[in-house]
Amino acid sequence: DQQVKQNSPSLSVQEGRISILNCDYTNSMFDYFLWYKKYPAEGPTFLISISSIKDKNEDGRFTVFLNKSAKHLSLHIVPSQPGDSAVYFCAAYRDDKIIFGKGTRLHILP
Amino acid sequence: EAGVTQSPTHLIKTRGQQATLRCSPISGHTSVYWYQQALGLGLQFLLWYDEGEERNRGNFPPRFSGRQFPNYSSELNVNALELEDSALYLCASSSLVYHGYTFGSGTRLTVV
Repeated sequence: DQQVKQNSPSLSVQEGRISILNCDYTNSMFDYFLWYKKYPAEGPTFLISISSIKDKNEDGRFTVFLNKSAKHLSLHIVPSQPGDSAVYFCAAYRDDKIIFGKGTRLHILP
Repeated sequence: EAGVTQSPTHLIKTRGQQATLRCSPISGHTSVYWYQQALGLGLQFLLWYDEGEERNRGNFPPRFSGRQFPNYSSELNVNALELEDSALYLCASSSLVYHGYTFGSGTRLTVV
């Protein structure tokens, strides 16, 4: 049972444009949502989080939006840079553990 | 500040053998989390240790076990290895979960 779903395995975006990564979840009891970035041969790196009582959190080029009624969150990266090419994991926190989605591979095109 | 360190980087074992993976958390972090990243399955939660105790475990059989030592480092043991145990095993530590985990680079376990 996949509680956190990332339905797009991959996404290609032109450098300088906006990258939008999407995530859906099934459990309305999650307390926090998080985004991680992973390069090959490295562990995932925490990017940004949002509390379930908020609808937006911004940190530099990264903004996460939460739509609780739709059980949907998204990560916006503006402007996209070559170093943003990586796998992005959406995650949700509940019951003292973080549940991850399967990830979306983002390719930033020159 | 040293990050989360895992050893070994790579491990090759034969089906039926046992594997032991090690993790040292960031200094000051008392919680250690283990995740499995198998092909196409994302990160699957395995185990959570805090203050030397197992606090939670994911949907994995009992042959996946571990422990946490007084210095908060941790071991993950996988007994009776099966081919489908081949995966990247990631360890993470945290101080406050909503600040996110800090992950190590992982141990790539290959069962042949």
